[in-house]
Amino acid sequence: QVHLVESGGGVVQPGRSLTLSCAASEFTFSTSVIHWVRQAPGKGLEWVAVIWSDGGTKYYADSVRGRFTISRDNSKNTVYLQMNSLRAEDTAIYYCARGMSAGTTSYYFDYWGQGTLVTVSS
Amino acid sequence: SSELTQEPAVSVALGQTVRITCQGDTLRSYYATWYQQKPGQAPVLVIYTKNSRPSGIPDRFSGSTSGNTASLTITGAQAEDEADYYCNSRDSSGNHWVFGGGTKLTVL
Repeated sequence: QVHLVESGGGVVQPGRSLTLSCAASEFTFSTSVIHWVRQAPGKGLEWVAVIWSDGGTKYYADSVRGRFTISRDNSKNTVYLQMNSLRAEDTAIYYCARGMSAGTTSYYFDYWGQGTLVTVSS
Repeated sequence: SSELTQEPAVSVALGQTVRITCQGDTLRSYYATWYQQKPGQAPVLVIYTKNSRPSGIPDRFSGSTSGNTASLTITGAQAEDEADYYCNSRDSSGNHWVFGGGTKLTVL
């Protein structure tokens, strides 16, 4: 059974930084694409960032580009999300999820972690 | 970037059929994926690649697409199907992903 576990959430002041981790097990992590998706309290899901299996390709949502950095260490089966210049609107549960492609027109997130809560507040 | 539009709330009587829709131009290029989320839980994949279900998802869940609209149909809704449902797809660039605003399903 694929297992993803997020950690690193907490309360942080506006303007400060925080790094989240997503640890994976029970699948071939080094060949997997990993995404971060967040959900503000009482709100819907928002895609945040993606990193390709070799770490060479990364994309970000407009709302976080320039402030957040996604990276991975395949030797540790872990993906990271470094979040700088945090704002109140970044307050959310952050989920990591594995991305799967089924041809050029189909893509889905088949496994999700349980999420880690980030609260940006003074 | 592209947008996906869902109705905010839908209700269905126990055992009846309900359809949840998702509209967006990107659906002309990419299949929608559907996720179920219950309170306090992570999202769960229910439909992908037009009408495929992961192992463990009941066959009362089905998906379809017509033009720029994708639909999730639950045939014979059960009490445990009460949840938020989100559609998702790649955007027009192919390098970003977008979620619909979510539909809260109530089973009466």
